[in-house]
Order: sequence, then C-alpha cells, then structure tokens
Amino acid sequence: DADVTQTPRNRITKTGKRIMLECSQTKGHDRMYWYRQDPGLGLRLIYYSFDVKDINKGEISDGYSVSRQAQAKFSLSLESAIPNQTALYFCATSDFGSSYNEQFFGPGTRLTVL
Amino acid sequence: RKEVEQDPGPFNVPEGATVAFNCTYSNSASQSFFWYRQDCRKEPKLLMSVYSSGNEDGRFTAQLNRASQYISLLIRDSKLSDSATYLCVVIITNSGYALNFGKGTSLLVTP
Repeated sequence: DADVTQTPRNRITKTGKRIMLECSQTKGHDRMYWYRQDPGLGLRLIYYSFDVKDINKGEISDGYSVSRQAQAKFSLSLESAIPNQTALYFCATSDFGSSYNEQFFGPGTRLTVL
Repeated sequence: RKEVEQDPGPFNVPEGATVAFNCTYSNSASQSFFWYRQDCRKEPKLLMSVYSSGNEDGRFTAQLNRASQYISLLIRDSKLSDSATYLCVVIITNSGYALNFGKGTSLLVTP
C-alpha cells in the first residue's frame, strides 16, 4: 500500500463550488505539505503543517484553507473554486527527525475547475 | 524573480551520452539542496541530496557551489529510463522546511 495517499485522484468541478482534497499518510511523519503544480510554473507551496495544532501559509495560500485533523491527515479546501485553480495538487510529508529533509509525495490530485 | 532557476531544456540526448543540468538559487539563506526526479504525470521523488563537497551515486554526480549559488547534476552513460523531468530543489532557512522548486528540466534519452 502507498505511504501517502490522496483522494480523489481526479476531480472536475464548476466555478463557485466548494471542494476538499484529502491526504493521508502511514509514514508517521510530523510534517505535511500541500503543493500545486502548473505547466511552466513548477511546484508551489500552498500550506504546511508541523503537527496537528500548527498551520502555516505558503507562497500561494489565497483561495485555499487547510485542516490537520490528525497527525496522519491533512485536507485542502477550495471554498469557492475558480478556473485558475485548475492544477495538479500534491500532498507531501517529511520526518522531523530526518537529517535529509526528504519529502515524500502522494500520487497527486488532478483538479479541473470549469 | 523566482528563487530557483534551471536550464529551460528540453534536453534530447542519445543513449550513452553524458548530460549536465545547471541550477542557480537566489536566497543566500538556502540551507539544503536536492535534485528530484518527476516522471510524466507522477509525483516527484528524491534523486539525491547535494552537498558542498559534491556527491556521487552511480552514474549521477551532484555539485554545489555556495559562493556562486549554483547547483549541478551530471548524468553519465544515459539510459532510456533516465527520461524524466529533473527538479532542482532548495530549502531556505526558516521556511518551514518547505521545498522551493525550480521549474524543472526535461530530459529525453533516445535509442
């Protein structure tokens, strides 16, 4: 089984709809991250969390919110989706104790906002 | 200006060739450096960390020049399976250990 899972894997929605992307991990990592990837722009950080009570904004947090429901779960919400939020979204985790700072990514959620 | 800049690519090389990718970063507070690999429509995966002394992993060699704020990746004896996008990644001090990605350089190794 995959260590970092994301649901849904693909989603098509309409402008103005609320949508939630889920991320779960079985790696036991403290830190979790949400990124989006757009063609020609690379990956950009949306939000990150060091533990259940810690939420931090990333480079492009406007229009998004997150919830860290448990150490293993980190959800990303789009309160009112707009077309320029069409992108590939990745969740990632890392271990506080790791000296390498390696991040492990989920398989991604492809979101299309019409 | 983006924090991490990479060669635009794409690089098309024949099997067996040696290919080098370059990357520059703008923030002198950058503390950790990596190359990630991303296959088409897949998640990024760590290829190797980059250290000031340089490091090698099989056919892959990474170099870091802190004075010039420059990172490189050399791939020797290219294989068809090396075809992917290579992402230069930097962690900046006090950024929450979030990764700052370059846009990536596409490599296609042809028979």
